[in-house]
Amino acid sequence: AQTVTQSQPEMSVQEAETVTLSCTYDTSESDYYLFWYKQPPSRQMILVIRQEAYKQQNATENRFSVNFQKAAKSFSLKISDSQLGDAAMYFCAYMNYGGSQGNLIFGKGTKLSVKP
Amino acid sequence: DTAVSQTPKYLVTQMGNDKSIKCEQNLGHDTMYWYKQDSKKFLKIMFSYNNKELIINETVPNRFSPKSPDKAHLNLHINSLELGDSAVYFCASSHGTGPHEQYFGPGTRLTVT
Repeated sequence: AQTVTQSQPEMSVQEAETVTLSCTYDTSESDYYLFWYKQPPSRQMILVIRQEAYKQQNATENRFSVNFQKAAKSFSLKISDSQLGDAAMYFCAYMNYGGSQGNLIFGKGTKLSVKP
Repeated sequence: DTAVSQTPKYLVTQMGNDKSIKCEQNLGHDTMYWYKQDSKKFLKIMFSYNNKELIINETVPNRFSPKSPDKAHLNLHINSLELGDSAVYFCASSHGTGPHEQYFGPGTRLTVT
């Protein structure tokens, strides 16, 4: 069974600085998808970024980028120029490529605080 | 113009009661999901439906019964509520069952006393 591990329960960053959230996963599959979701205090789950395992290029969405290391099964999220609105729980998630069931497997989350 | 809505947002009830949580999406998606987020924020899928048919049923007590009257709705009925059912329940939807973005509802915080 696939598992997702986020080893940092909490992280803190100064406004305008850069922070990296770690995620590792375990799978025997070669094709899959990885996601980062954000959950602010409002509880709403919001997709931040998505990476296809067959793509070597790291995904980027504005200030958010990932460092995808397939061999190491690592998928970290980098937030540049951190803003107060980035404060939230961040969840790393995995989905099989077969993905026929749309089953997202989540890590336990990292709580990010942003200091003004 | 809410994409995925859930009612109620908060639900407090006593052990042994039966309750339902409703979910509706207006995105035209054909796949809907229920997730449970426990007190430690761990989020796990419970069910998914594609075109009103059940395609995932994780290890969930059969006290939980999802019902999909049409593609835009997926309701969750819970019988004989237990203390351990206290959690936040999220509904989500997507276009298809593959790696498409899942749009989440605001969640329903269920408290069983």
